[in-house]
Amino acid sequence: EADIYQTPRYLVIGTGKKITLECSQTMGHDKMYWYQQDPGMELHLIHYSYGVNSTEKGDLSSESTVSRIRTEHFPLTLESARPSHTSQYLCASQGEGLGNTIYFGEGSWLTVV
Amino acid sequence: EDKVVQSPLSLVVHEGDTVTLNCSYEVTNFRSLLWYKQEKKAPTFLFMLTSSGIEKKSGRLSSILDKKELFSILNITATQTGDSAVYLCAVADGSSNTGKLIFGQGTTLQVKP
Repeated sequence: EADIYQTPRYLVIGTGKKITLECSQTMGHDKMYWYQQDPGMELHLIHYSYGVNSTEKGDLSSESTVSRIRTEHFPLTLESARPSHTSQYLCASQGEGLGNTIYFGEGSWLTVV
Repeated sequence: EDKVVQSPLSLVVHEGDTVTLNCSYEVTNFRSLLWYKQEKKAPTFLFMLTSSGIEKKSGRLSSILDKKELFSILNITATQTGDSAVYLCAVADGSSNTGKLIFGQGTTLQVKP
């Protein structure tokens, strides 16, 4: 069982608020990812990190930002939330020993009203 | 543009039936193909396939990859209601060190009692 945790699991916030979605993993993985998934739709990569102080934009443009100050922690921040940001955000991490298997957190469901 | 296409998009069967889910891909730098099962939360890992013709099995689930024809199938025998989920196929992009995943749109399987 992979140990990767996301908080909050569910959040409803007002337009214009700042929100940070937390993601932590206890497996010592260097590679971490954020995916965005609208209901019934595909997962899209929005951010990834190779390790501490490394962050890159993913395939889908996102107004969110990320940071990687510690190996185990990869938070995602929206400075000013809008209804278009309503979605599920999935954090994932990837180790070396198991090839390309990527382990996902349980997801954060964000609703912006 | 790299893409992964799954079929069918949705499927309704009765308990005890056998189902076959399809995944075809066009990815410039193929590293591996992965199958995930997604219920109401995050995707959970099922199989990783890297070599053609080698079947992977886990209980009632099995999967095989054809790298010449660029597709994979996921078989589920003697289906149960607990198999109801979205099944995601993803290809790991080998063009970078991150092993980024390109996801298909998923197949929604509903197993009726």
